[in-house]
Amino acid sequence: EVQLVESGGGLVQPGGSLRLSCAASGFTFSSHWMHWVRQVPGKRLVWVSRINSDATERDYADSVKGRFTISRDNSQNTLYLHMFSLRAEDTGLYYCARHSMGALDFWGQGTVVTVSS
Amino acid sequence: DIVMTQSPGSLPVTPGEPASISCRSTQSLLHSNGHTYLDWYLQKPGQSPQLLIYLGSHRASGVPDRFSGSGSGTDFTLKISRVEAEDVGLYYCMQTLQAPHTFGPGTKVDIK
Repeated sequence: EVQLVESGGGLVQPGGSLRLSCAASGFTFSSHWMHWVRQVPGKRLVWVSRINSDATERDYADSVKGRFTISRDNSQNTLYLHMFSLRAEDTGLYYCARHSMGALDFWGQGTVVTVSS
Repeated sequence: DIVMTQSPGSLPVTPGEPASISCRSTQSLLHSNGHTYLDWYLQKPGQSPQLLIYLGSHRASGVPDRFSGSGSGTDFTLKISRVEAEDVGLYYCMQTLQAPHTFGPGTKVDIK
């Protein structure tokens, strides 16, 4: 059974940092692109970043470029999102998702990030 | 960036009746490989989004055949042939043709 379990969220002050993790199981992690998606208050979904299977390609939303870094450890079946210089607008529920067949076919349950003083 | 729009924003439905959601993109989602990179997701209350339709018209594993996706280029439609109570939630379209990927604003489907 495919499972994606996010962790690392929490309350952080503006300008602070967090590292999100996504532990994957039930599939060959090293064969799949992976994504992070944020759901903001009001339920809108915002794509954040993606990384290819061997970490040689990474893409970011303009709003996080230069502040967030996506990475992965295929030996540990884990995806990361390193978040720096956090802003109030980064607040939300962060999902990791597996990419397959041109879509995000499995999503985790998410981890909440709140940026507030 | 490709902008995605959806209509309607809210859709009250009657069980057993059909329902339809429209999604439009600001540029064609047809790739040179012949695939159209448009997906549909449903987020049921209290749950994570789940994939319904990929590459415009292909039902994901386990998705009931009352759901269908159609369209091409910049105009797409998700149809539910006969709505069931379990179909309530937020429906999103998303383009994965190019980064940054983008979602539509969502359509809230609930029972009349």
